[in-house]
Amino acid sequence: GEDVEQSLFLSVREGDSSVINCTYTDSSSTYLYWYKQEPGAGLQLLTYIFSNMDMKQDQRLTVLLNKKDKHLSLRIADTQTGDSAIYFCAERSGGYQKVTFGTGTKLQVIP
Amino acid sequence: SAVISQKPSRDICQRGTSLTIQCQVDSQVTMMFWYRQQPGQSLTLIATANQGSEATYESGFVIDKFPISRPNLTFSTLTVSNMSPEDSSIYLCSVGVGQGAYEQYFGPGTRLTVT
Repeated sequence: GEDVEQSLFLSVREGDSSVINCTYTDSSSTYLYWYKQEPGAGLQLLTYIFSNMDMKQDQRLTVLLNKKDKHLSLRIADTQTGDSAIYFCAERSGGYQKVTFGTGTKLQVIP
Repeated sequence: SAVISQKPSRDICQRGTSLTIQCQVDSQVTMMFWYRQQPGQSLTLIATANQGSEATYESGFVIDKFPISRPNLTFSTLTVSNMSPEDSSIYLCSVGVGQGAYEQYFGPGTRLTVT
């Protein structure tokens, strides 16, 4: 079955860049997503990338996809305290439209 | 995008009772999903609910425990039946929008505590 893995925790200083990594196993993934969840809140769709792309940039966010290694990363430039949250990587299987979520990475931004 | 609301936002229920969670979307969508997020955990898909057909349940989830209704393209309900403390979780409604429904948005969630 599909499996999505992330490191559990990342701590960065305010103003630095954050890089959150994700690996997945499903070679038929079509879309890969990054979601943000703040305490007590639902999930906010930050960005997504189609599997035939290797990079997508959206303001402070840069997504890199290495399909050969099944590795996805999210880079947040100039990280702010408001970026402190849990970030979930997710992938959508090609044949069946199920989205599988990773374990989540808790980002702590130190002022 | 889509704006999704859920009711109730939270509830505390007694063991053995049932709770129905409502999900309302501000636009017509074909695909709606129900997820569970147990404390400190990731999201697990319970079922996919398409209008006009029976919901499709994931492994480990059954209709008797989690009946779902999808009466139209903007609304769905999930019932958690005969609750036990192990059902204490956040339940999230999600919709897929766009061509192929690949943009998936989430509601704010319903935080359920079973005592």
